Amino acid sequence: DTGVSQDPRHKITKRGQNVTFRCDPISEHNRLYWYRQTLGQGPEFLTYFQNEAQLEKSRLLSDRFSAERPKGSFSTLEIQRTEQGDSAMYLCASGPINQPQHFGDGTRLSIL
Amino acid sequence: QKEVEQNSGPLSVPEGAIASLNCTYSDRGSQSFFWYRQYSGKSPELIMFIYSNGDKEDGRFTAQLNKASQYVSLLIRDSQPSDSATYLCAVNSDNDMRFGAGTRLTVKP
Repeated sequence: DTGVSQDPRHKITKRGQNVTFRCDPISEHNRLYWYRQTLGQGPEFLTYFQNEAQLEKSRLLSDRFSAERPKGSFSTLEIQRTEQGDSAMYLCASGPINQPQHFGDGTRLSIL
Repeated sequence: QKEVEQNSGPLSVPEGAIASLNCTYSDRGSQSFFWYRQYSGKSPELIMFIYSNGDKEDGRFTAQLNKASQYVSLLIRDSQPSDSATYLCAVNSDNDMRFGAGTRLTVKP
C-alpha cells in the first residue's frame, strides 16, 4: 500500500497529557498537510510542509500544537497539555506542489 | 476571511437520478477546486479537481466551474446507493486549502 499512512488510528488520553501523531506521506509527494476535523464540519487547515520546511501555520493553532518534518519524509504532530476541545479527527494529507492532496485514514483523538 | 459555503443537506435523490451539489467561495484569487467524498468515519477521498472555467467529466461525475460567479458544482449521474456520503468542496488559493462543511447525500434504492 503506497497511500498516506497515519499512526495511531485511535488515541484516548486524559486531559492534560501530551500526545504525538505520526504521518507517512506518499513517498514522492513533497508537500504534507495537517488538518483537524470535528463532527459535521469540513477539515480545518492546521499547517503544511514543503519538504522539511514548515511554510504555513494556521492562526487558529494554539502554542500547544507543534509539528515537525525533520527529514522531509514523515511528519509528527504533537499536542501538549491536551484539552477537551482537542477531541477531533486529525488528518494528514500529501501531494505534489499545486496538485490534489490525498488523505490518510486519520487519527481519532478522544480526551477524557 | 476566505469562505467556502455548501448546503449541508441532507440531499436525497432516488437511485438512477442526477444529484447536484453546489459550492460557493469568497476568494476571487482561488486557483484550483476540488471535490472530495467522505463516508462516515472515513477520511476524504478525492473525486474530481478542476482548474479552468467550464465542465470536466470523469465517468458519472461532472465538475462545473464558473469563476465569475465564484461557483463550483458537482453532478453525479445515475446515482447509486453507494454514492451516499458527505461531499466536501475544497478551494485552493496561494497554497491555502479551505474546505466547506460538506453536503450529505443520500441515494435511496
